[in-house]
Amino acid sequence: GENVEQHPSTLSVQEGDSAVIKCTYSDSASNYFPWYKQELGKRPQLIIDIRSNVGEKKDQRIAVTLNKTAKHFSLHITETQPEDSAVYFCAARDNFGNEKLTFGTGTRLTIIP
Amino acid sequence: DAGITQSPRHKVTETGTPVTLRCHQTENHRYMYWYRQDPGHGLRLIHYSYGVKDTDKGEVSDGYSVSRSKTEDFLLTLESATSSQTSVYFCAISGGIGTEAFFGQGTRLTVV
Repeated sequence: GENVEQHPSTLSVQEGDSAVIKCTYSDSASNYFPWYKQELGKRPQLIIDIRSNVGEKKDQRIAVTLNKTAKHFSLHITETQPEDSAVYFCAARDNFGNEKLTFGTGTRLTIIP
Repeated sequence: DAGITQSPRHKVTETGTPVTLRCHQTENHRYMYWYRQDPGHGLRLIHYSYGVKDTDKGEVSDGYSVSRSKTEDFLLTLESATSSQTSVYFCAISGGIGTEAFFGQGTRLTVV
């Protein structure tokens, strides 16, 4: 089955700097890669996603890149702000029709004012 | 927010008792998932469903069973609860291939 590895597990950056979180996946059949943000005590919520036919996607300060050959994808947050502090999860979803969705172990991002 | 509701939101139960968690959706989405969240382990897939009566195991399915007799409800049952099943349980739903998965509010289960 699919295995998603996520690094680092914790990340602290100065406010205004950039943050990068990386994930690798094992199943070459996976074709959809979402990123979720979870604030303390709340449910995970989608912040950006990318499909396997796209190499990069941006949404304001957030971007995701995908390298299908190497089977890794990354989340980039620029000009970080205190409200970016949260736990971030990457995930991979297969395309066999049953849409199994496998998550990484999460990255706790702390923005230092 | 997507129409997804988990019940109960909190539960304390004794070791060895059966427990059923309910996920109810009003979106008519085909795909439903149950995850558990524990510190250091992220979101681990327990079971998922890709249609009525179509379910499959995730990576941590031992000790859990599921049922989906109608589109809107996905039930997670702990046949005989153990302390290792103390966790926060999240249900998620998704409408189609490559579409966003929405999470419920979560259920905090404590097994004593």
